[in-house]
Amino acid sequence: ETGVTQSPTHLIKTRGQQVTLRCSSQSGHNTVSWYQQALGQGPQFIFQYYREEENGRGNFPPRFSGLQFPNYSSELNVNALELDDSALYLCASSSGQGANEQFFGPGTRLTVL
Amino acid sequence: GEDVEQSLFLSVREGDSSVINCTYTDSSSTYLYWYKQEPGAGLQLLTYIFSNMDMKQDQRLTVLLNKKDKHLSLRIADTQTGDSAIYFCAPGRGNYGGATNKLIFGTGTLLAVQP
Repeated sequence: ETGVTQSPTHLIKTRGQQVTLRCSSQSGHNTVSWYQQALGQGPQFIFQYYREEENGRGNFPPRFSGLQFPNYSSELNVNALELDDSALYLCASSSGQGANEQFFGPGTRLTVL
Repeated sequence: GEDVEQSLFLSVREGDSSVINCTYTDSSSTYLYWYKQEPGAGLQLLTYIFSNMDMKQDQRLTVLLNKKDKHLSLRIADTQTGDSAIYFCAPGRGNYGGATNKLIFGTGTLLAVQP
């Protein structure tokens, strides 16, 4: 059983650019959640996808958007990057059932200059 | 609103027990999870407790839940240097009626284990 993977590992962008981050969910999982973790803080919920539909969103502006594909992998897109978008972006997959434990990937470290 | 509070730092000696405390505000939380994060890494799920339970033991880990006071604790027995990390408690809702299982995190507790 493969775990959650994310790509790329690190990314450097400049203000105003756009970025796409990718996540492959754990085998058998149909739900993917994305979190932003700023330095020294806990993760903050961005949104969740369940069976290719957005199923809940946190307090993030519309320039944060996402997709989930038929194989349940997912993308996070951020437009018009700002300096404050610099953070570790984590995705987590879950089965959508029972305790619905979320298993996290290693994250993508985004730096905006 | 939804909030989670934990003490920022805990230092223990190797072999001692560690107790990490957490208070939360969301009374509709049905599952409460504990995660461990090592420097520069993602989050590792350690254990979780269902909200109708008072206690759960999982090898060296013991979780206690006081639902009335919205207080959760994680006890690590025989703490090792490899347990040094940041620990997060995260209330969530499991999967009830398709409800979003948004996890709420505080700033976490940095556990430092002295040899």
